[in-house]
Amino acid sequence: NAGVTQTPKFRILKIGQSMTLQCTQDMNHNYMYWYRQDPGMGLKLIYYSVGAGITDKGEVPNGYNVSRSTTEDFPLRLELAAPSQTSVYFCASRPGQGNTGELFFGEGSRLTVL
Amino acid sequence: RKEVEQDPGPFNVPEGATVAFNCTYSNSASQSFFWYRQDCRKEPKLLMSVYSSGNEDGRFTAQLNRASQYISLLIRDSKLSDSATYLCVVPGTGTASKLTFGTGTRLQVTL
Repeated sequence: NAGVTQTPKFRILKIGQSMTLQCTQDMNHNYMYWYRQDPGMGLKLIYYSVGAGITDKGEVPNGYNVSRSTTEDFPLRLELAAPSQTSVYFCASRPGQGNTGELFFGEGSRLTVL
Repeated sequence: RKEVEQDPGPFNVPEGATVAFNCTYSNSASQSFFWYRQDCRKEPKLLMSVYSSGNEDGRFTAQLNRASQYISLLIRDSKLSDSATYLCVVPGTGTASKLTFGTGTRLQVTL
């Protein structure tokens, strides 16, 4: 019962470094999402994907890139990390349109940029 | 109007109280809505879906008011374990693929 798995769970980066947050799901879901959540705030959509090979920007895509080469994986790339990217990142998936709309979340990746 | 808007709270209520939260949305074409619960430093989890006819699950009732474009969540007989942040979720403007989260309403249930 793995569901949505995110790695790493915690990471500290220096300004200007790059890294990739990994996300994989074993439920054969078409839709996958990356959200960030700043302290005391709601979730903001960074990027999403409706299927392999298809990605689209959310409301806060600047400074990030994604790819979706397989149904299972949806990595999030941070280029030139900045302190403003300090946040908790959640990956989520759901089967697709027409379903209940339930999002299945990973446990989150806590990123600090110093 | 913002896509999704919630009163951030906190709502501080005693155990056993009834508490209600509202969430307003801007996309009048939205068909489906959801309430998620988020415990501190944890991932959000689906609490309830909101249908046009309303939805009830034990102590929790969700209602939709299309005319005024808001959804509500009512919690009866509050328990200490209900303390959490409640997130309203609606399909994003322009596409049902995106789900937009409200900033959440924090509930603290006390003895």
